[in-house]
Amino acid sequence: QKEVEQNSGPLSVPEGAIASLNCTYSDRVSQSFFWYRQYSGKSPELIMSIYSNGDKEDGRFTAQLNKASQYVSLLIRDSQPSDSATYLCAVNSLGAGNNRKLIWGLGTSLAVNP
Amino acid sequence: EAGVAQSPRYKIIEKRQSVAFWCNPISGHATLYWYQQILGQGPKLLIQFQNNGVVDDSQLPKDRFSAERLKGVDSTLKIQPAKLEDSAVYLCASSLVRLGGTGAADTQYFGPGTRLTVL
Repeated sequence: QKEVEQNSGPLSVPEGAIASLNCTYSDRVSQSFFWYRQYSGKSPELIMSIYSNGDKEDGRFTAQLNKASQYVSLLIRDSQPSDSATYLCAVNSLGAGNNRKLIWGLGTSLAVNP
Repeated sequence: EAGVAQSPRYKIIEKRQSVAFWCNPISGHATLYWYQQILGQGPKLLIQFQNNGVVDDSQLPKDRFSAERLKGVDSTLKIQPAKLEDSAVYLCASSLVRLGGTGAADTQYFGPGTRLTVL
């Protein structure tokens, strides 16, 4: 059973701090990694994707990937109350018949306190 | 570019009734997914279509759930009869992914979801 694991939280950080969200995955051949943000009552929206080892930065967000350790993380700098949401980690996986799908973590709840 | 469309946005039914949800994916997206999301949990894949063929329905409760994507574009998901535990948000997503595609093609885009309450 291929799995993606996240700390459910809640993770609480003060406004302006760095929030660090972590995700581990079990499928060693996974190639695509995604972070989605989901506000309460809304559907998931893509905030970052990463495909190769190292860091990828987009504004206040940085995704970090370490395939050897099967670990992907998301850093949010200068956290704002509007960042308060659930963050979902998703990892692609190849199934039977070369079928590609995403395996989802349960999400980490982030609360940014003013 | 228009996003993924879903309807209805909300539905309240009594147990043992039937309900249907509709989804229209992003134009050109070959793959369509139906997910069930229960409060506090991640999305659970119910069924995945590649064009109009089913590629994964391993977690679909086939005794009560059915789905189709007849022309390889829009899709319907039906529940008949509904149970109390079916109360959830039903999310439709689409992606470009094709066999041998690039990583970016795995990106899934979600519709607004349908919140189902079974009384």
